[in-house]
Amino acid sequence: QVQLVQSGSELKKPGASVKVSCKASGYTFSNNEMNWVRQAPGQGLEWMGWINTNTGNPTYAQGFTGRFVFSVDTSVSTAYLQISSLKAEDTAVYYCARGWGGRTAAGFYPWGQGTLVTVSS
Amino acid sequence: QSVLTQPPSASGTPGQRVTISCSGSSSNIGSNYVFWYQQLPGTAPKLLIYRNNQRPSGVPDRFSGSKSGTSASLAISGLRSEDEADYYCAAWDDSLSGPVFGTGTKVTVL
Repeated sequence: QVQLVQSGSELKKPGASVKVSCKASGYTFSNNEMNWVRQAPGQGLEWMGWINTNTGNPTYAQGFTGRFVFSVDTSVSTAYLQISSLKAEDTAVYYCARGWGGRTAAGFYPWGQGTLVTVSS
Repeated sequence: QSVLTQPPSASGTPGQRVTISCSGSSSNIGSNYVFWYQQLPGTAPKLLIYRNNQRPSGVPDRFSGSKSGTSASLAISGLRSEDEADYYCAAWDDSLSGPVFGTGTKVTVL
């Protein structure tokens, strides 16, 4: 079945970097874009952007430029989210989600299980 | 900051019908499909409704979606305890050139 499996929780100090992985299985990885969604503690869902898994070209939403980098490794069907210069406010669960239902659609199916990134000194 | 507005909470007793609204604008709901997601406590969101009113395989027909103008609604009929979750609407926004989520609604089964 179509599945996205993310890497485990991370505890980082302010100023450090983190790289979250999202391994896809059950479908042709390069056929669908991969999205990243953030959920801060007790808050709603926030779309961070997406990456074209065929070309590797990323698109970042407002507020997610500069310190956030999306990448893919098609040889292992895996997408990555790297966040540098971590701040306390980056503490959140980060989800990857396969784009579904059309390029200009808010379809995300399926979702990874989420990766909790905690930034604390 | 969410562009789509939902009531923060909704509740009902088992068997009742609960409706959740999602209010947007001409650049999102007014011109694009609406999707709904269910997030059970401590889990990842799950696609519940796509293209305004379509259910993915495996989603009970107790869940239904509708859209009119710049608003959309999710209805849960025959409410069950396992429906207790957060529900989010989402739609593509032409002005932002990206998808936007609703503020989320917590459904409680009394």
